[in-house]
Amino acid sequence: EVQVEQSGAELKKPGATVKISCKLSGYTFTDFYIHWVQQAPGGGLEYMGLIDPKDGETKYAVKFQGRVTITADTSTDTVSMQLNSLTSADTALYFCGKAAVGGNWIQTWGQGTLVIVSS
Amino acid sequence: EILLTQSPATLSVSPGERATLSCRASQSVSGNLAWYQQKPGQAPRLLIYGSSTRATGIPARFSGRGSETEFTLTISSLQSEDSAIYFCQQYEYWARFTFGPGTKVEIK
Repeated sequence: EVQVEQSGAELKKPGATVKISCKLSGYTFTDFYIHWVQQAPGGGLEYMGLIDPKDGETKYAVKFQGRVTITADTSTDTVSMQLNSLTSADTALYFCGKAAVGGNWIQTWGQGTLVIVSS
Repeated sequence: EILLTQSPATLSVSPGERATLSCRASQSVSGNLAWYQQKPGQAPRLLIYGSSTRATGIPARFSGRGSETEFTLTISSLQSEDSAIYFCQQYEYWARFTFGPGTKVEIK
């Protein structure tokens, strides 16, 4: 069974950096892209970017380009997402998700990680 | 960026009735559209991909159709557990994926 387990909630000050991890299990880690999605409180879903764990290739949405870094560790089957220069607008739930066979929809989602940015 | 608009914003339907949700793309996404269901406090759940293919374990009352810029998700006989927000997502353009703003389905 595919499992996607995210790290716990974070409280950060404005200007800080947050790094969230996403532990994958139940399949071959390098076979599928991992996506990241932001959801502001009471808001919609905002696509952030993806990584190919096989070779570490990343693609980022324009909105987050320059501020987000997604990495993969094949020794621990873990993907991490780092977001820099946090502001209150980054207060949100962050989801990682495993792509599907043959396509870039998100087959299996993590439970989400709440990041609160507050002074 | 491809913009997705969803309508209506809120849909109130009686149990057993049909619910029809719309998702419109600002330009063609071919058939590269997925639907997700999200309940309060939960992660989204994949319902439909490739515009019309149900994901594993999704009840047959959920169906999707459409292509290019016009898509619909239909819940043929609404159940109480279908109360949720439904998002569409296009994945036509490599890593320029976008989501619609969502339709909230309420049980009347």
